[in-house]
Amino acid sequence: NAGVMQNPRHLVRRRGQEARLRCSPMKGHSHVYWYRQLPEEGLKFMVYLQKENIIDESGMPKERFSAEFPKEGPSILRIQQVVRGDSAAYFCASSATVWREQYFGPGTRLTVT
Amino acid sequence: GQQLNQSPQSMFIQEGEDVSMNCTSSSIFNTWLWYKQDPGEGPVLLIALYKAGELTSNGRLTAQFGITRKDSFLNISASIPSDVGIYFCAGGFGNEKLTFGTGTRLTIIP
Repeated sequence: NAGVMQNPRHLVRRRGQEARLRCSPMKGHSHVYWYRQLPEEGLKFMVYLQKENIIDESGMPKERFSAEFPKEGPSILRIQQVVRGDSAAYFCASSATVWREQYFGPGTRLTVT
Repeated sequence: GQQLNQSPQSMFIQEGEDVSMNCTSSSIFNTWLWYKQDPGEGPVLLIALYKAGELTSNGRLTAQFGITRKDSFLNISASIPSDVGIYFCAGGFGNEKLTFGTGTRLTIIP
């Protein structure tokens, strides 16, 4: 009974590099959500995807950030030309029904040096 | 974006005590979710509520969906060391994205 899987758990990038974060939803879940969490803060919604479609990206920065959920394979959150302010924990969640019970992965902690 | 107000922000209690926390919003919701997050981990879903007035238990945890639909409450009875962590509420309405609370940090004093 595998839960939501994310990799890598920790990622270190230098300023200007690209970061790729992967998320495999729970079996049977077709709704994927990405959140960002800064230390000592709550969860900030970034994007909601279904297979091959971005449904709501209202929380995504307009530049450098993109997300996809291809027909085959995991969902990917891509951050281009990372800056120090991108350092945070990024969580993926999935659900069987839209916006209902969301199950979170362990997160990817991105550090930009 | 909008955030829910959770109260209290932090709690320091002794093992065995009961815990109460709440979440309030200026908007009505038709879904309330409660999560617990341990350091370095992702949030874990504790309880889901879908009807105003609903009272749901999960072991020593009990949560209620407020009748005004603008608040929710979480109680933990007879706290134990593994209850330490941050508790988040989340509210949802229709096809709108979830709004997460600011969190309540629970610490158990030895």
